[in-house]
Formats: sequence, C-alpha cells, structure tokens
Amino acid sequence: NAGVTQTPKFRVLKTGQSMTLLCAQDMNHEYMYWYRQDPGMGLRLIHYSVGEGTTAKGEVPDGYNVSRLKKQNFLLGLESAAPSQTSVYFCASRTIRGAFFGQGTRLTVV
Amino acid sequence: DQQVKQNSPSLSVQEGRISILNCDYTNSMFDYFLWYKKYPAEGPTFLISISSIKDKNEDGRFTVFLNKSAKHLSLHIVPSQPGDSAVYFCAASDSGGGADGLTFGKGTHLIIQP
Repeated sequence: NAGVTQTPKFRVLKTGQSMTLLCAQDMNHEYMYWYRQDPGMGLRLIHYSVGEGTTAKGEVPDGYNVSRLKKQNFLLGLESAAPSQTSVYFCASRTIRGAFFGQGTRLTVV
Repeated sequence: DQQVKQNSPSLSVQEGRISILNCDYTNSMFDYFLWYKKYPAEGPTFLISISSIKDKNEDGRFTVFLNKSAKHLSLHIVPSQPGDSAVYFCAASDSGGGADGLTFGKGTHLIIQP
C-alpha cells in the first residue's frame, strides 16, 4: 500500500534548468495538491487538481506548471529554476477525511 | 494575511505531562480543521480532525477542542511521550473538505523532555 509516492526525493538544479517532479497516488483520490514548505512558512499551496485533466492555481503558483493527464499522477514542472524555488515540495491527495502526503522532494537551486 | 496562525514556534513539555498546542484562524468560512504531525525528512501525517458542528473530538491520547466564537482550536496530548516530539501543523478548510486544499499554519515544534 504505497499511498502517495514522490520522485525524486532529492535534486540539485542549476539556475535556469528545468525539471519535473512526479507524484503518484494509488488511493483513487480525485483531489491532488502540490505544496512547498519553507522554514518558518508552513505549507503553502502551489497548484491543485480536482480531477483528471483539470488544474488550478494555489497561493504561490508563479514559476510552476502542473499537469494531471492521469488520475493517479500529478506532475509539477519548473521551466526555469530560480534559487527562490529552493524548498521541500510535498504532494498530497485527499478525501473529505483529510490529506495524505508524500515523503517530500528536497530541491536545491544553485 | 495569514488565515491560520500558530503563534508558538516551539513548545517544550516534560514527558508524562499534558502538551497543549494552539491555533487561531481568521476566516469565518473555515468549517473543518485538522492537525498534522511531521517528523524530519518525512511528509506530514494526519493526526486528528474536527468539524465545526462539534466542539471536541477525542482519539486516544489526542483531543482537539474548537471554540468557534473565538476562532480558536487547540490540540491536547495526554500523557506526552518522547515519540510525540515533532512539528505539528494546524490546517483548515471550508465546506467540509473543499477542493481548494487546506490552509496551514506555520507549525509548532513540540519537544518532549525526559
């Protein structure tokens, strides 16, 4: 029972490089989310999706794009990474009961 | 403007005593509240929740109290154990789990001392 799985777990990027973070859930949840966690800032919502083929902006969407081509996968893309995007990224899927989180991706942009 | 506030960045409690973590919110549309626990290098894990139609919810050593008029909730852990040392996030949503995600506080780092 994997729950929510994020890949990769760690990554170092150079400024201007691009990358995609993958989130996969096996709970058949409709709703999926990408958050970032920064020291002293809690968890802030980047983008979310209410179902396959749909995405919407959260609190801090700038510099990120997302896609939900399949219900079980939610991809977060950085087209041109900036040092301000150094953070820990968490994917979550949810039911009305609450959200289930992946283990996180630690991204450093140098 | 922060809609969910946890004003204590850290809290130190002796093992066996009660830990009380506080959370305030400003958005009156919030009607569902959750507490998450987070260990280093792991994702947050769901702990306990409460709907606005209740003022108390209990699960083992964990109890959440909600005071709607004061827009305040608290998490009580009794008795506190060393494994409770973690960062605790308060979260809120509207419409009982709306699609637009959860709004989190900044977290409180709970340290249980032996």
